[in-house]
Amino acid sequence: EVQLVESGGGLVQPGGSLRLSCAASGFSVNGNYITWVRQAPGKGLEWVSMIYRAGSTYYADSVRGRFIISRDNSKNTIYLQMNGLRGDDTATYYCARIWFGHYFDPWGQGTQVTVSS
Amino acid sequence: SYVLTQPPSVSVAPGQTARITCGGNEIATKRVHWYQQKPGQAPVLVVHDDDDRPSGIPERFSGSNYGNTATLSISRVEAGDEADYYCQVWDSRSDQEIFGGGTQLTVL
Repeated sequence: EVQLVESGGGLVQPGGSLRLSCAASGFSVNGNYITWVRQAPGKGLEWVSMIYRAGSTYYADSVRGRFIISRDNSKNTIYLQMNGLRGDDTATYYCARIWFGHYFDPWGQGTQVTVSS
Repeated sequence: SYVLTQPPSVSVAPGQTARITCGGNEIATKRVHWYQQKPGQAPVLVVHDDDDRPSGIPERFSGSNYGNTATLSISRVEAGDEADYYCQVWDSRSDQEIFGGGTQLTVL
């Protein structure tokens, strides 16, 4: 079964850092595109970042320069290193597999990030 | 950057057809994907590439994409279809994924 499980969320102070993990099973992250999407409380979905099979990385304007997406093939896991966190980064963060047409399926269950003092 | 516009809410009676629109400049030139999200749950893909359904999604869910508007149609609406629905495209010019603001579907 293809599955993604996020972890690493929590409460962090403004300006702090956090690293989220997205562990994949049933497929290899090395051969696929993976994305991070977030959802602030009561708000819509916002695309955050993605990593291509060849290792190219892309970011939303709102996180570029602060967030870094990476991949550990040995652990079959994708990471999102979040630095310089702000209150508007508070959200549930989901990872998902990207298919050829750039649609996302499946999604993980999400991990909650709260940025507050 | 590319913008997708959805109505905030749509209401429909059980058994009727719900139509949720997603507007964007020449959106017909892009592949549009739709997600269903129920409260407290992760989004689920219901239509991809304009009008294809993943396995396990009922035939009641269908999509179309013409001109500047893509549409998700849900026929014979059931109470269990009540959810938020989001459209999404890939903007190849900026290499960014774009989501619409979401539409809350209410079954009366």
